[in-house]
Amino acid sequence: DTGVSQDPRHKITKRGQNVTFRCDPISEHNRLYWYRQTLGQGPEFLTYFQNEAQLEKSRLLSDRFSAERPKGSFSTLEIQRTEQGDSAMYLCASSLSGRYNEKLFFGSGTQLSVL
Amino acid sequence: TQLLEQSPQFLSIQEGENLTVYCNSSSVFSSLQWYRQEPGEGPVLLVTVVTGGEVKKLKRLTFQFGDARKDSSLHITAAQPGDTGLYLCAGGGSSNTGKLIFGQGTTLQVKP
Repeated sequence: DTGVSQDPRHKITKRGQNVTFRCDPISEHNRLYWYRQTLGQGPEFLTYFQNEAQLEKSRLLSDRFSAERPKGSFSTLEIQRTEQGDSAMYLCASSLSGRYNEKLFFGSGTQLSVL
Repeated sequence: TQLLEQSPQFLSIQEGENLTVYCNSSSVFSSLQWYRQEPGEGPVLLVTVVTGGEVKKLKRLTFQFGDARKDSSLHITAAQPGDTGLYLCAGGGSSNTGKLIFGQGTTLQVKP
């Protein structure tokens, strides 16, 4: 098992373009989380899935953001009509539910720069 | 809104010195986690504390959860250059999920 994998590692786009990120969690993990981290700040929760169901979305997640986990394995996060304020590191984490003190395993993130 | 404030935000020390990082909130958390993050990588979990007053040790790192479960501290003894990184505290709510509230982080630089 190689851990949580995110692709791409870096993405540069122009304002107004759409971007999509992919996250492959640890294979036996049923929960998958998306966080966003801007420079000098800690990660902020965006959304999470248990299997294929999206159970919670943060109010930070505007209508331009959509996340899917169609088969309960990998997940995608799409941002439509990107804005400069979307520039951040997008982190994915996975975990196994049902355990006391659920442990999150983070990927290396996708660094998005919107020009 | 639950918030976690870390202090200091930046710390630059010489190898061999001791340091303490603080994580404070006005809210009660069911658990408190500490992570270390290196540039260009995701956070890596160091420890989870769940009981008020709990103390956990990880080699030269000592973690404490406040009695009221509103604050925590991380103490590093005899810091080494390999300890350099961003230290994040994160509070868990009652939902027993990985939805966490993170502090803004403390950037630690240990000079040889």
